[in-house]
Amino acid sequence: YEVTQPLSVSVTLGQTARITCGGNSIGGRNVHWYQQRPGQAPVLVIYRDTNRPSGIPERFSGSNSRNTATLTIDSAQAGDEADYYCQLWDSTTAVWVFGGGTQLTVL
Amino acid sequence: EVQLVESGGALIQPGGSLRLSCAASGFNVISHYMNWVRQAPGKGLEWVSGVYSGGDAYYADSVRGRFTISRDNSENTVSLEMNTLKAEDTAVYYCARAVHGFDLWGQGTLVTVSS
Repeated sequence: YEVTQPLSVSVTLGQTARITCGGNSIGGRNVHWYQQRPGQAPVLVIYRDTNRPSGIPERFSGSNSRNTATLTIDSAQAGDEADYYCQLWDSTTAVWVFGGGTQLTVL
Repeated sequence: EVQLVESGGALIQPGGSLRLSCAASGFNVISHYMNWVRQAPGKGLEWVSGVYSGGDAYYADSVRGRFTISRDNSENTVSLEMNTLKAEDTAVYYCARAVHGFDLWGQGTLVTVSS
């Protein structure tokens, strides 16, 4: 199963950023999202499409429908600059699949 | 404190073997689905292997037959035995706990395969 993310997304400080993860009927799967700042380990920011772990700001939200899952970051801040990865479980091959990652730049 | 700490990374020659260890604190690895994820320099995340609480283990195609995941309940650790290492195995290796998504990660340990 393959998922596709844009290589990069830019957003103006204070505006809304949307990062997509495309895949065939991905809406029928549970998608997780991770933030990875340079030199740091990934951090889970959204699990099972729409859920925020404890400690993740409400500015982070997720959705998943048909062929696209989306991570939305409202009121983007300089500290949100990072790489973002989507992830899902492919039950056919019994492997976890990561998207290629999207670099978010806050202008 | 709930945390994971990896160790064992090193510079190793192609064809060699290496064992990585992940020490857990604040929870029991035997009760959780534990995984290894790697990241080659400048590249994205790649899932490597996982072991369920019941003991079933799964592997990425790229490492199946060369890598083995295991747990030590007495030490509360998860290990990754890596054999027949290749240059393309060079990466930072992360240990991660999966509850809802991979909710807890270690800081990673660097494996470099080079002559």
